[in-house]
Amino acid sequence: EVQLVESGGGLVKPGGSLRLSCAASGFTFSSYRMNWVRQAPGKGLEWVSSISSASTYIDYADSVKGRFTISRDNAKNSLYLQMSSLRAEDTAIYYCAMTTATNHKFDFWGQGTLVTVSS
Amino acid sequence: EIVMTQSPATLSVSPGERATLSCRASQSISSNLAWYQQKRGQAPRLLIYGGSTRATGIPARFSGSGSGTEFTLTISSLQSEDFAVYYCQQYNNRPPWTFGQGTKVEIK
Repeated sequence: EVQLVESGGGLVKPGGSLRLSCAASGFTFSSYRMNWVRQAPGKGLEWVSSISSASTYIDYADSVKGRFTISRDNAKNSLYLQMSSLRAEDTAIYYCAMTTATNHKFDFWGQGTLVTVSS
Repeated sequence: EIVMTQSPATLSVSPGERATLSCRASQSISSNLAWYQQKRGQAPRLLIYGGSTRATGIPARFSGSGSGTEFTLTISSLQSEDFAVYYCQQYNNRPPWTFGQGTKVEIK
């Protein structure tokens, strides 16, 4: 059974940094593209970033480009999102999501971790 | 950026009735469209991809249709567990991968 468990969320001040993690199990992590998708409180879904299986291809939404860095450690079955220069508008639940094919749909999702940016 | 527009924002339906949700893309996305269901307090779940292919374990009462710029998600006979928010998402060609704003299906 695919399991994705996010951690690392919390309260951070504007301009601060935070590192999110996603622990994967139940599948061959190194074979699949991974993603971060976020959801502001009471709002819709927003794709944040994607990383290919071997970290060859990385993409970011314009809203986070230059501030967030996605990475993965296939030996540890883990996905990361390093977030810096955080803004109030980055407040959201951050979901880790897996893509199983060559397209960019999100097949499986974790339960999310809440990031709150506030002074 | 491809903008996805869903309608209506809220759909009030009685259990057992049919629900029809719409999603429009600002430019052609072929069949590169997915639908997700999100229940309150839960993560989204993939329902449909490729415009019309049900994901593993998704009941047959969920069906998707359309291509190009116009897409539809139909729930043939609403069950109590189907009341939720539904999002469409395009994954055509290149990022950003964008979502619609969602349609809330509520009990009438």
